[in-house]
Amino acid sequence: KQEVTQIPAALSVPEGENLVLNCSFTDSAIYNLQWFRQDPGKGLTSLLLIQSSQREQTSGRLNASLDKSSGRSTLYIAASQPGDSATYLCAVSMDSSYKLIFGSGTRLLVRP
Amino acid sequence: DAGVIQSPRHEVTEMGQEVTLRCKPISGHDYLFWYRQTMMRGLELLIYFNNNVPIDDSGMPEDRFSAKMPNASFSTLKIQPSEPRDSAVYFCASSLVLSYGYTFGSGTRLTVV
Repeated sequence: KQEVTQIPAALSVPEGENLVLNCSFTDSAIYNLQWFRQDPGKGLTSLLLIQSSQREQTSGRLNASLDKSSGRSTLYIAASQPGDSATYLCAVSMDSSYKLIFGSGTRLLVRP
Repeated sequence: DAGVIQSPRHEVTEMGQEVTLRCKPISGHDYLFWYRQTMMRGLELLIYFNNNVPIDDSGMPEDRFSAKMPNASFSTLKIQPSEPRDSAVYFCASSLVLSYGYTFGSGTRLTVV
């Protein structure tokens, strides 16, 4: 059974700092991995999608990497801003299945 | 495109009442998903449809829950009768194909008192 773990559960950093969020999964037979952002009381916003054949994806200040064999993904946020404060969720989909399996998220606070 | 549209945004109901949540997926997306988010269990898939046909409903907690997709542009999730433990945020999501990822709606926050 696939399990997705995110560490740390919460993170507080000063504005301007570069930071890394971690996601690990137990079954490497994933189809793709997606990072989402969730603001309090809001829905999920897709940030980056990495196919199993890819090693990384970049969007602006965000960079997501994937090491399928070791069951890990990282989300790197450069030059963090208070507006980046949110909960970040990673989710994997398995081969031939549309079911997304989510981690419990990392709650990020960027202090001005 | 307006994205995935869910209604209502908030619903407060009394235990025992019927609750209906609604979702309009992105036009052209063949896959529609219902997820539930709670503090204790995080995000869980309840059911998903492909071309209006339910494919996997193994996540539906019990017979009190039912979901329908009468056409490509509309789906409902119904709880009858509702119980306090059903209180959660219910999300609808849609997808064109798996390799393109998912788009989520803003969710319906359900409170059963």
